Amino acid sequence: QVHLMQSGAEVKKPGSSVKVSCKASGGTLRSYVISWLRQAPGQGLQWMGTIIPRFGTSTYAQNFQGRVTISADESTSTVHLELSSLRSEDTAVYYCARDANPNYCNPTSCSPLYYYGLDVWGQGTTVTVSS
Amino acid sequence: DIQMTQSPSTLSASLGDRVTITCRASQSVSKWLAWYQQKPGKAPKLLISKAYSLESGVPSRFSGHGSGTEFTLTISSLQPDDFATYYCQQYTSYPYTFGQGTKLEI
Repeated sequence: QVHLMQSGAEVKKPGSSVKVSCKASGGTLRSYVISWLRQAPGQGLQWMGTIIPRFGTSTYAQNFQGRVTISADESTSTVHLELSSLRSEDTAVYYCARDANPNYCNPTSCSPLYYYGLDVWGQGTTVTVSS
Repeated sequence: DIQMTQSPSTLSASLGDRVTITCRASQSVSKWLAWYQQKPGKAPKLLISKAYSLESGVPSRFSGHGSGTEFTLTISSLQPDDFATYYCQQYTSYPYTFGQGTKLEI
C-alpha cells in the first residue's frame, strides 16, 4: 500500500526559502516517480516538477527554473521540494504525488504508457508567504 | 506548453442528471489524458487515466472518452458525492498541464 506523508504547514517571509518533505511508505524510493504540484487559494493545479529517484534526476517547470530544487533521500524514503526567493504569489498548498512506473523511465522522461496517473497524493502542505 | 481548456467552468445540475465535461488540448495528446475529482480542502483524486481507463474503486457512472485534442468526462447519474471540482490533465510530455477546472454544483 503506497502512502505519501508530507511535512507540516510553513509560514515564510518574502525572499526566504521553504523546504517541504514527502515521505513514501510501501516500497523503496527507487520504486517511485514523484511529482510536485501546487494549488494557490481558489485556483487550479500547477505542476512544478518530477523526480525519478532511480536516476537521481529531476525535471522542472519553466516557470520555476532557478528557484526550485527537487531531491530524494533514499535512506529516509523522502523526497524534498525546495523553493527559494519566495514571494506572496507562492502562497499555496503544495502536494506530492506518485507519477509513473520507474521501470519504464529513462533519466529524463517516463513512458506515458506506464504512467499511473497521479494516483497517490500526499495530504498537502500549506505554505504561506507573508511579511 | 500544451494548453488544456475545460468547459464549462461551472455546471449546475441535479441528482440523477447526466452531465458531460469537455476538455480540449491545444495539440494532440493522443490518449494521454487523466481526469481528477477534487473536494474542498482535499487532495485531488484520480478518476480516469489513458482517456478512458477507470481507476479501481471509481463508480462505473463515470466514463471518459476521446483522443487527440478533444475529451469528455461523463457522469451518467449524479449522486450527492459527485458535487466537486473536476480537472483534466495531459501527460504526453512535460510540463504536465491541467485544465482550469469545472465546478459541478447542485
